[in-house]
Amino acid sequence: DTEVTQTPKHLVMGMTNKKSLKCEQHMGHRAMYWYKQKAKKPPELMFVYSYEKLSINESVPSRFSPECPNSSLLNLHLHALQPEDSALYLCASSQGQGRNTEAFFGQGTRLTVV
Amino acid sequence: GQSLEQPSEVTAVEGAIVQINCTYQTSGFYGLSWYQQHDGGAPTFLSYNALDGLEETGRFSSFLSRSDSYGYLLLQELQMKDSASYFCAVRMDSSYKLIFGSGTRLLVRP
Repeated sequence: DTEVTQTPKHLVMGMTNKKSLKCEQHMGHRAMYWYKQKAKKPPELMFVYSYEKLSINESVPSRFSPECPNSSLLNLHLHALQPEDSALYLCASSQGQGRNTEAFFGQGTRLTVV
Repeated sequence: GQSLEQPSEVTAVEGAIVQINCTYQTSGFYGLSWYQQHDGGAPTFLSYNALDGLEETGRFSSFLSRSDSYGYLLLQELQMKDSASYFCAVRMDSSYKLIFGSGTRLLVRP
């Protein structure tokens, strides 16, 4: 199983809503990532978890709150978002050791904030 | 800040060879990766260079020169399905941090 599964695929939320994005992988990878991607732009790193601990936060606003309940799951909790937060949110995982640097991406959640 | 620069767009003919360049300036460097992303799809891994030189994987090859902070992706025998965006990405250090370049949109014409 070389898949990273993200749910939901699409999400529309109001600026006062609270929602969560979910990501799951069963490859035994120890690093998991959240990226944000706007149209025609590169993926922009938000958070990195390694061994279930938050290791990198790229100065992301607190209205985005990541959580790693176990080694297979990664959540992104959303609260009080702004319309400019509308984007494709990508989850990825990687083994991370030595030459195993390949990152596997999920299909993403396309988020629209209204 | 970190910067990874790529040409924004490249056009080539089916069956031809195309080279996509990447120059980087990052505070750390562990290796250079390449990813392909079709419209509406997820990035998929193509190759990785940690050391200087050429890595070949089928029709795709990737090159790295650490002293020049430069790498490229070479696509041979282009096919229509190769039309996509291509991103170089730098693994910054042992912390798993992976930063993406600006991206190159490749259009393959018949």
